[in-house]
Amino acid sequence: NAGVTQTPKFQVLKTGQSMTLQCAQDMNHEYMSWYRQDPGMGLRLIHYSVGAGITDQGEVPNGYNVSRSTTEDFPLRLLSAAPSQTSVYFCASKSDPLDYGYTFGSGTRLTVV
Amino acid sequence: SQQGEEDPQALSIQEGENATMNCSYKTSINNLQWYRQNSGRGLVHLILIRSNEREKHSGRLRVTLDTSKKSSSLLITASRAADTASYFCAYRRSTGANNLFFGTGTRLTVIP
Repeated sequence: NAGVTQTPKFQVLKTGQSMTLQCAQDMNHEYMSWYRQDPGMGLRLIHYSVGAGITDQGEVPNGYNVSRSTTEDFPLRLLSAAPSQTSVYFCASKSDPLDYGYTFGSGTRLTVV
Repeated sequence: SQQGEEDPQALSIQEGENATMNCSYKTSINNLQWYRQNSGRGLVHLILIRSNEREKHSGRLRVTLDTSKKSSSLLITASRAADTASYFCAYRRSTGANNLFFGTGTRLTVIP
């Protein structure tokens, strides 16, 4: 039981490049989210999904796309990387009922130059 | 911003002392949660308190919630060097989407 797995752990992109951050969970959780963590800002929600085929925007969705074709996978796509997207990205999942806490992945540290 | 605020931003104590962290938020909530983050790692869920609860315990952790003041506190008793980490509160609003909004975190250092 691996929990939430994020790849890659580190990535450097040039401005304008695109890439996909991978997230997979093996706990059959319906609810999955992407957060970014910036110094002094805590975690901010980018996108989330309440089940396969269903996604919605969070607080800071601009510049990111998501899809949820399976329960297990929730990839985050950066369409055209910008230096402002330099951050640490966390994927998290949880099961219903709604009161459960999240299980987090170990994060992807992204630098855009 | 929907983010919660935590204070202090940083706290340094001696091993064996108690550590108290506070969280304030701005809206009606369904529940409030606390997470720990060790340096360079993901967040780990510690404890959840529902809006109709006032206090909850888990091992050396005690969480209180005052919905009238829109605030919560996390007390870690008899701290250990291994408790050194950042601690975040996160709350789920009582209306709107089922999302968690995180506080800005408290960096706790426990000196052996």
